[in-house]
Amino acid sequence: AIRMTQSPSSLSASTGDRVTITCRASQDISRYLAWYQQKPGKVPNLLIFSASTLQSGVPSRFSGSGSGTDFTLTISRLQSEDLATYYCQQYSNYPRTFGQGTKVEI
Amino acid sequence: EVQLLESGGGLVQPGGSLRLSCAASGFTFSDYAMSWVRQAPGKGLEWVSVISGSGGNTYFAESVKGRFTVSRDNSRNALYLQMNSLRGEDTAVYYCAREVGEFDFWGQGTLVTVSS
Repeated sequence: AIRMTQSPSSLSASTGDRVTITCRASQDISRYLAWYQQKPGKVPNLLIFSASTLQSGVPSRFSGSGSGTDFTLTISRLQSEDLATYYCQQYSNYPRTFGQGTKVEI
Repeated sequence: EVQLLESGGGLVQPGGSLRLSCAASGFTFSDYAMSWVRQAPGKGLEWVSVISGSGGNTYFAESVKGRFTVSRDNSRNALYLQMNSLRGEDTAVYYCAREVGEFDFWGQGTLVTVSS
């Protein structure tokens, strides 16, 4: 199975800060990578797919980049409503695998 | 509007069985693969299983292979997860999700608790 490793596991930042989360795959997954946001007590929500394509309705302060094994999720100007845990997920092959999550505190 | 609604969760003893259901609406159900994803209390997301739109292909996580089966009834827009030989580590919220590679729509989840 492809292992997905996120860093950091948690971070604390202030509103207006630029936040970057990284995700590394244990093998080449091309651009078959998605990012999800899960707010406390809520269902995961798709933010980005194909490494950099913003899902409809997602604010433009979210962006993704990368290919192969190294990927990043960036929040350009952190807002209070961005308090959440963020997960990356590969869909290059089965089993689908997620990163362990990055908890963003504000 | 795409809607997914899980049901069937509850408390079950170790070694027991449970069948989860997911009712889908708002899209052509048979056109899409569907997955089950679970989340243990306070833990991250773990993919469990997928079934193709026709139902002809299925895959499972190693952790549930041989114990869980997945099926669908496209005439009823319904997805199922049959869970047998349940263990404590299967305790989790189980989500059904529409899979297009990524998971673009998720249900609200149903809690399965395996405990004596």
